[in-house]
Amino acid sequence: GQQLNQSPQSMFIQEGEDVSMNCTSSSIFNTWLWYKQEPGEGPVLLIALYKAGELTSNGRLTAQFGITRKDSFLNISASIPSDVGIYFCAGLNYGGSQGNLIFGKGTKLSVKP
Amino acid sequence: GAGVSQTPSNKVTEKGKYVELRCDPISGHTALYWYRQSLGQGPEFLIYFQGTGAADDSGLPNDRFFAVRPEGSVSTLKIQRTERGDSAVYLCASSQTPGTPYGYTFGSGTRLTVV
Repeated sequence: GQQLNQSPQSMFIQEGEDVSMNCTSSSIFNTWLWYKQEPGEGPVLLIALYKAGELTSNGRLTAQFGITRKDSFLNISASIPSDVGIYFCAGLNYGGSQGNLIFGKGTKLSVKP
Repeated sequence: GAGVSQTPSNKVTEKGKYVELRCDPISGHTALYWYRQSLGQGPEFLIYFQGTGAADDSGLPNDRFFAVRPEGSVSTLKIQRTERGDSAVYLCASSQTPGTPYGYTFGSGTRLTVV
């Protein structure tokens, strides 16, 4: 099935550092989403973006919806150990029978205290 | 319930056997989705229910996979003649309004291992 291009695949950083990850697609979406998944759990929504160019923050997380509607990035500032997990971008075209999310392969984040 | 409940949490089965995976969505959520997540990958869409009917089953990989939601609440994903390649985490999600990101809540998944 279709998946988005997400990079980097993994990151190993020191506590307190900032993190940036991005996601690109060959097709446009009208919504971009960022999820975090911890071991043994399902993905949990972090941020949702609805408009091209939109910049949205949720605490230490900031995400942007690319102008072309084919990309998005997520930044995490001042990382802490509990930020560890796998971060997924997802694209969505809602309306009608289209309701399924298209996910990236994930960015695995490790934070060294 | 408070969240999406999936049972069993783990299932080990022999190649060729039949399995059923159950999803209890959040009460009142009309839309229900099944995704499959292979190791090291993001979730991939399988099927979407709006009420009792499958609105989109384009993600089902082949005819060994089937899902039902007879009363518009609980859903069962059924896999016949399981193969080792079916090993994955099967995630269920539900939402109050189909296709919108808010209220799109995932369960913890069923980890299926075919040996």
